[in-house]
Amino acid sequence: AQTVTQSQPEMSVQEAETVTLSCTYDTSENNYYLFWYKQPPSRQMILVIRQEAYKQQNATENRFSVNFQKAAKSFSLKISDSQLGDTAMYFCAFMNYGQNFVFGPGTRLSVLP
Amino acid sequence: DTGVSQNPRHKITKRGQNVTFRCDPISEHNRLYWYRQTLGQGPEFLTYFQNEAQLEKSRLLSDRFSAERPKGSFSTLEIQRTEQGDSAMYLCASSFGRGLQETQYFGPGTRLLVL
Repeated sequence: AQTVTQSQPEMSVQEAETVTLSCTYDTSENNYYLFWYKQPPSRQMILVIRQEAYKQQNATENRFSVNFQKAAKSFSLKISDSQLGDTAMYFCAFMNYGQNFVFGPGTRLSVLP
Repeated sequence: DTGVSQNPRHKITKRGQNVTFRCDPISEHNRLYWYRQTLGQGPEFLTYFQNEAQLEKSRLLSDRFSAERPKGSFSTLEIQRTEQGDSAMYLCASSFGRGLQETQYFGPGTRLLVL
């Protein structure tokens, strides 16, 4: 069974600085998707960024980028120029082609003014 | 608004009562997922549908839980004889289910409190 681990339960960063959230996963499959979702306080979950495992190039979306290390089964999220609105729970998620979708336990990120 | 919608947003019930939640996915999405999320945890997969067919059920989905998607559009999740341990946020998500469009889009959730 696939598992997703986020080893940082809580993190904080000063506004305008850069922060990296870590995620590791365990799977025996070669083809799969990885995602980072953001869940602001009392608001719904929204997609931040996604990565297809067959792509070597790291995905980027504006201030958000990932460092995907397939061999190490690592999928970290870097947030540049942090903004107060980035304060949220961040969940790393794994999905294989069989539609098994597994979330990590989350990292609570606080952006400090 | 063309996002995923869920109703009700909040439900308070007494132990032993039955409750039903509804999810309306994004209209062109053929896949629909149900998750349960407890405070401070990530969502846990419960079940998913491809059109009207329920293709997978988690072992978390006890026999008190049943989900339907009769016409391949909206879905309902029913919990019979609710227990206090059922208190959680129930999330619905939908996806188009093809290649890059595997991304799941989440609804706002239904928060259930069983007294």
